[in-house]
Amino acid sequence: GENVEQHPSTLSVQEGDSAVIKCTYSDSASNYFPWYKQELGKGPQLIIDIRSNVGEKKDQRIAVTLNKTAKHFSLHITETQPEDSAVYFCAAAFTDTASKLTFGTGTRLQVTL
Amino acid sequence: NAGVTQTPKFRILKIGQSMTLQCTQDMNHNYMYWYRQDPGMGLKLIYYSVGAGITDKGEVPNGYNVSRSTTEDFPLRLELAAPSQTSVYFCASSYGPETQYFGPGTRLLVL
Repeated sequence: GENVEQHPSTLSVQEGDSAVIKCTYSDSASNYFPWYKQELGKGPQLIIDIRSNVGEKKDQRIAVTLNKTAKHFSLHITETQPEDSAVYFCAAAFTDTASKLTFGTGTRLQVTL
Repeated sequence: NAGVTQTPKFRILKIGQSMTLQCTQDMNHNYMYWYRQDPGMGLKLIYYSVGAGITDKGEVPNGYNVSRSTTEDFPLRLELAAPSQTSVYFCASSYGPETQYFGPGTRLLVL
């Protein structure tokens, strides 16, 4: 089955700096790679996703890059703000009949003033 | 439009007891999923459903059962609770096989 590794497990940045979280996956058949943000006591919320036919996707301060050859993908957050502080999860899936997501172990991002 | 709702929010069970975790979505989504999240870990898929009457096992199905009699509801049943089932359980739904929307979770403690 799919295996997703995520690094780092914790990340502390100053407000305004950029944050980068990296994930690798094992199954070359995976074709869908979402990123979720989880705030304390809440369910994960999708913030951006990318499909295997695209190398990069941006949404305001958030961007995701995908390298299919190396089987890794990354989340980039620019101009970080205190409200970006949360746990971020990457995931991967082969979307045939259902998106059976395999999640990474999460990155706790702390944005300090 | 409430999205995905889960009940209860928190429950304490004794070893060997049974319970049903409820999940309802009002977005007319075909796909529904159950995950568990252990402390400091990512989510693991327990069961999923691609439509009413159709369910299938995920990565960690042992000790759980599901049913899908309607599009809206996808309950998760624990028959004989064990301490290893102490976790936070999340239900999710999606229109197609991709973007999943998660509920707020049910925290379960088995003692």
